[in-house]
Amino acid sequence: QVQLLESGGGVVQPGRSLRLSCAASAFSLSRHGMHWVRQAPGKGLEWVAVVSNDGSIKNYADSVKGRFTISRDTTRNTLFLQLDSLRPEDTAVYYCARFVAEAGISIGFDYWGQGTPVTVSS
Amino acid sequence: EIVLTQSPGTLSLSPGERATLSCRASQSVSTSHLVWYQQRPGQAPRLLISGASSRATGIPDRFSGSGSGTDFTLTITRLEPEDFAVYYCQQYVSSPYTFGQGTKVEIK
Repeated sequence: QVQLLESGGGVVQPGRSLRLSCAASAFSLSRHGMHWVRQAPGKGLEWVAVVSNDGSIKNYADSVKGRFTISRDTTRNTLFLQLDSLRPEDTAVYYCARFVAEAGISIGFDYWGQGTPVTVSS
Repeated sequence: EIVLTQSPGTLSLSPGERATLSCRASQSVSTSHLVWYQQRPGQAPRLLISGASSRATGIPDRFSGSGSGTDFTLTITRLEPEDFAVYYCQQYVSSPYTFGQGTKVEIK
């Protein structure tokens, strides 16, 4: 069945980098837009970034633009999020999610990973 | 950026009662691109409602969505114990694909 498995989270000092991975199974990344969403401790959901199904379009939240980079490797069917110049306010659980649209209607994120925690602290 | 404002922040209700959650957008949102999610503690969010009013696969019919333009509503007709959770609306009209801040439905 469809699964998304994140990894790569951890504790990192401010200004350092991390690379998150999201391994997809039972479907091809080439057929879906893929997103990253984060949730700070005790807070709500914050949309972070998207890569389109063909990889040609990438968009970011203003809070991460210029610091985070979304990418994918279709041969490994894996989504990535490179987190550079990390700040304490980037501390959150990071989720990858599969986006589905049908006949011009946004169905939404039908599958989510379990989340990988990132803590930015000195 | 489209800002989604959810109200109330917290809804205290008893099992069996009706819950009405609001999501108001800062500009018009096509019903085709308004979605609702449920998040239980310690879990990833779960897709509830797509296209403002269509239940996702496996979602019971006590959940319904309605609305248009800038005002959308999620209704839970008879709260079951498993429905006590946080609910988020999200728009897919344009990037950034913003979420509302969430409404927590708690047991009274």
